[in-house]
Amino acid sequence: QVQLVESGGGVVQPGRSLRLSCAASGFTFSSYAMHWVRQAPGKGLEWVALISYDGTNKFYADSVKGRFTISRDNSKNTLYLQMNSLRAEDTAVYYCARDRKILVVITDSFDYWGQGTLVTVSS
Amino acid sequence: QSVLTQPPSVSAAPGQKVTISCSGSSSNIGNNYVSWYQQLPATTPKLLICENNKRPSGIPDRFSGSTSGTSATLGITGLQTGDEADYYCATWDSRLNAWVFGGGTKLTVL
Repeated sequence: QVQLVESGGGVVQPGRSLRLSCAASGFTFSSYAMHWVRQAPGKGLEWVALISYDGTNKFYADSVKGRFTISRDNSKNTLYLQMNSLRAEDTAVYYCARDRKILVVITDSFDYWGQGTLVTVSS
Repeated sequence: QSVLTQPPSVSAAPGQKVTISCSGSSSNIGNNYVSWYQQLPATTPKLLICENNKRPSGIPDRFSGSTSGTSATLGITGLQTGDEADYYCATWDSRLNAWVFGGGTKLTVL
């Protein structure tokens, strides 16, 4: 069974950094592109970043470009999100999600989601 | 505001049908697949519709999707109280080189 388990969230001061992890199991991690999607308290879903199955292609939302870096370690079945220069508006639950199709960069949907990890940016 | 426009809320009685619209442009809905997600209260989003109108395994046929030009629609028939949730459309935007979500629609089953 596919499992995605995020970790690394917490309370951090504005301007500081945080790294999120997403441990994947139950599927061939290296065959799927992966995403980070966030949801601010009481708000809708916002896509954050995408990394291709082999890590060579990365895309970011304008709101995080230049501050966040998505990466993956296929040998450890783990997805990462390095978040620098954090702002209050980055406060959200961060979900990792899997592409529905294998071995493509741009898919049609996200078929599995983790439970999310809460990041709170506050002084 | 969101690149994709959804109504903030819709409502209907149990057993009835409801549709949720998602309006975009040629750079997103007009040229890329649309997917729909259901988020029940305090839960993780769940894929309902992929590739505009396909239901993943386990999704009942009460849920349907369609597209026309730069708009997409989610349909739900035989409404149940358990369908009360937030619903989101999403697609790739070829101009932004980014995924975009609609703002979400809260469904109330009266």
